[in-house]
Amino acid sequence: AQSVAQPEDQVNVAEGNPLTVKCTYSVSGNPYLFWYVQYPNRGLQFLLKYITGDNLVKGSYGFEAEFNKSQTSFHLKKPSALVSDSALYFCAAYGGATNKLIFGTGTLLAVQP
Amino acid sequence: DTGVSQDPRHKITKRGQNVTFRCDPISEHNRLYWYRQTLGQGPEFLTYFQNEAQLEKSRLLSDRFSAERPKGSFSTLEIQRTEQGDSAMYLCASSPTGQGNSPLHFGNGTRLTVT
Repeated sequence: AQSVAQPEDQVNVAEGNPLTVKCTYSVSGNPYLFWYVQYPNRGLQFLLKYITGDNLVKGSYGFEAEFNKSQTSFHLKKPSALVSDSALYFCAAYGGATNKLIFGTGTLLAVQP
Repeated sequence: DTGVSQDPRHKITKRGQNVTFRCDPISEHNRLYWYRQTLGQGPEFLTYFQNEAQLEKSRLLSDRFSAERPKGSFSTLEIQRTEQGDSAMYLCASSPTGQGNSPLHFGNGTRLTVT
């Protein structure tokens, strides 16, 4: 079965420090991978995607993610965290036999001033 | 691009009542998806449409749930005989193609509370 795992329920980081939010996937074939962010009582907003090509993809608000095929991972990163980055982050995958995005359970990012 | 809009934003209903939610996707988007999100979980796929055709339904979608997209534009999701376990955020999303490489554009959701 296709699945996406986010092993950390919450990540805490001080403002100005680098951040990483982890994601691993289990999808047959070549996956399309996405990161979304959700603010309270709002829908999900697209941050970035990996389809093919360069393993390091850049997205909105200074976020980037690194695709690692051998580790089946797609970790979200940012060099310098902002308090306003505090939100719920979802990793998602589309691939294999599925015609829909499958989401991880989400990671709450808390950036302390 | 006015974005995906969902109505209502909040719905409180008593157990056993029927509810209907509406989603207006981005106008040129062919694909429309419904997801359900409960507290502490990621969105779970319910169903999707390619234009007016409903192409897939999740096993999560019991026979109390029905979705339509009659003219390939807006969609409705109806829940009959609501149960407390139906309490969740119902998210609608649209995309221009079904090839998977286009990100989904989400609405702000309808939060359903069944008392």
